[in-house]
Amino acid sequence: QVQLVQSGAEVKKPGASVKVSCKASGYTFTSYGISWVRQAPGQGLEWMGWISAYNGNTNYAQKLQGRVTMTTDTSTSTAYMELRSLRSDDTAVYYCARGGVVGLGWFDPWGQGTLVTVSS
Amino acid sequence: EIVMTQSPATLSVSPGERATLSCRASQSVSSNLAWYQQKPGQAPRLLIYGASTRATGIPARFSGSGSGTEFTLTISSLQSEDFAVYYCQQYNNWQTFGQGTKVEIK
Repeated sequence: QVQLVQSGAEVKKPGASVKVSCKASGYTFTSYGISWVRQAPGQGLEWMGWISAYNGNTNYAQKLQGRVTMTTDTSTSTAYMELRSLRSDDTAVYYCARGGVVGLGWFDPWGQGTLVTVSS
Repeated sequence: EIVMTQSPATLSVSPGERATLSCRASQSVSSNLAWYQQKPGQAPRLLIYGASTRATGIPARFSGSGSGTEFTLTISSLQSEDFAVYYCQQYNNWQTFGQGTKVEIK
């Protein structure tokens, strides 16, 4: 079955970086894109950006420009999201989700989520 | 950025009753709208895409309608497993989510 499995929870200090992985299985990785979505405690869903697994094209949410980088490794069908200069308000559950190869489209399925806690 | 506004924020419904959730876009998104269900501690699950197409395995009691700027998710007869938070998402111009509607037991 189509599945996205994410890396485990992280605790980081303010100013540090975090890199979350998302391993895909059950489908042709390069035929889709991967979006990243985060959810702060008790809050709604915030789209962070998208990467095409076909050609590596990216589009990032404006508020995260300059702090986020999304990459893929097609040899292992894994997507990565790196967030730098972490602040306390980056504390959230981070999800990867399969989406369209050109960036538009619905998300299905989603990874199980990775809790990133930013605390001194 | 397209802003998605969901109403109401909380909907109290008795099991077996009908629930109607609304989602409004700040500009037209055509039919490029999806609905998700999220239960506590779980990732969101796709229910509806293309405004009205049920995703694989989604029960027929879930239905979506609308186009342009006004959309509705209807749950015809609420089951116990349907009490959750529901989000709409537009994907006409990149992606934005509504703030969610919590469906709780009355």
